[in-house]
This record gives sequence, C-alpha cells and structure tokens, in this order.
Amino acid sequence: DARVTQTPRHKVTEMGQEVTMRCQPILGHNTVFWYRQTMMQGLELLAYFRNRAPLDDSGMPKDRFSAEMPDATLATLKIQPSEPRDSAVYFCASGGLRSGNTIYFGEGSWLTVV
Amino acid sequence: DQQVKQNSPSLSVQEGRISILNCDYTNSMFDYFLWYKKYPAEGPTFLISISSIKDKNEDGRFTVFLNKSAKHLSLHIVPSQPGDSAVYFCAASENTGGFKTIFGAGTRLFVKA
Repeated sequence: DARVTQTPRHKVTEMGQEVTMRCQPILGHNTVFWYRQTMMQGLELLAYFRNRAPLDDSGMPKDRFSAEMPDATLATLKIQPSEPRDSAVYFCASGGLRSGNTIYFGEGSWLTVV
Repeated sequence: DQQVKQNSPSLSVQEGRISILNCDYTNSMFDYFLWYKKYPAEGPTFLISISSIKDKNEDGRFTVFLNKSAKHLSLHIVPSQPGDSAVYFCAASENTGGFKTIFGAGTRLFVKA
C-alpha cells in the first residue's frame, strides 16, 4: 500500500531548539510538497520540489526554515531556531507522472513549540 | 493574497440531503482542480478532481462542477451521510513545469443523522 510517510508524528520542543521533520514520498513520485495547516490559512504551501530540485520556497520564512531533498526517498523540513508561532501540523505530499496532477498526503507532523 | 478561497468555514446538512461546498479562485492559469477530505488527526485524502477542459466530473455520490468564466467550482454530495462529516479542502494547480498546488482554508461539513 503506497503512502507518504512522515516522522515524527508528534514533537514537543522548547523555543529556540532545532526541529527536523522528515518525509518519505511515494516510490516513483518525483514532486514533493511541504504544507503547514493553520486555522486561518488552511493548508499553506511552504515549499515544493521536482526531481529533488526546489521549485518554489516562497512560502517559507527564510530566516529560520529550510527544506531539502538529500535523495529521491527523503525530504526534510528544518526549523532553527523554533518559535511558539511555528506550532502547527506540517504535511508532506507527493505526486508524479503516474498520479497526474493529484498529490497524496502523509499523516502529518504535529509540532508544539513551548 | 489567497488564490483559492472557501468562504464558508462550516456547513450543516441533514442526512440524506445534498451538501454543496463552494470554492472560488483568482488565478486564471489554474488548469486542474481537486477536492480533499480531512478527518481529525489524519492527512487530507484525495476525493475527486476536474480538469479545466471539463465542466463536470462525477464519482458515485460526489460531483464537482467547474465554471471557468466565474472562476468557481463546487462539490455536491448526494445523498449526504454522517460519515461525510469532515473538513473539505478545495485545491487548484497549474502545470508550469511542476504542478504547484494551492489550497483553500477548508469548509467543515457536519452531516446530522
């Protein structure tokens, strides 16, 4: 059963600490998205990659957020230093030629910064 | 500036009746539209989609209508069931080398038994 896998599922950290969230896209998918769910903005696009290259990261606060794809099976989203306002659910999604323009989501990483 | 807007935060419908969820978009370059359903503590799951070359797509109880001139789409659920109670997200993408997919804020649907 192909699915997007995200770790950790839950993370509580202190303000100022570094947080790294990981995503394994569906095998064969070459486009990976990072979204953040907030009450006001819904699903906010932070960044996305195609064939491991960043296409758009304009949704990310550049001073503290960074996103990378070290290889085709791993995408990372890092926050350093973390702040209480970063508390949210972060979703990874992937898509590819076989899925057309449809993207599939992981279960999310619930981040709480205290 | 939100490119995809769902102006109704919530909707309540009686079981067996029709649920209509609405979505508006501003970017005329969008050429593919999707609806996702999300239960609490889970990731959004794909429900139904429509290409800009069509004005209707149907899948069982779910139908999506697209009005390009009005930049408006809607999701109809008939008949509504209590298990349909969830948050529904509208999304749109443009195929410009990578299908950048933008989501609305979501509409929470309550289906009352």
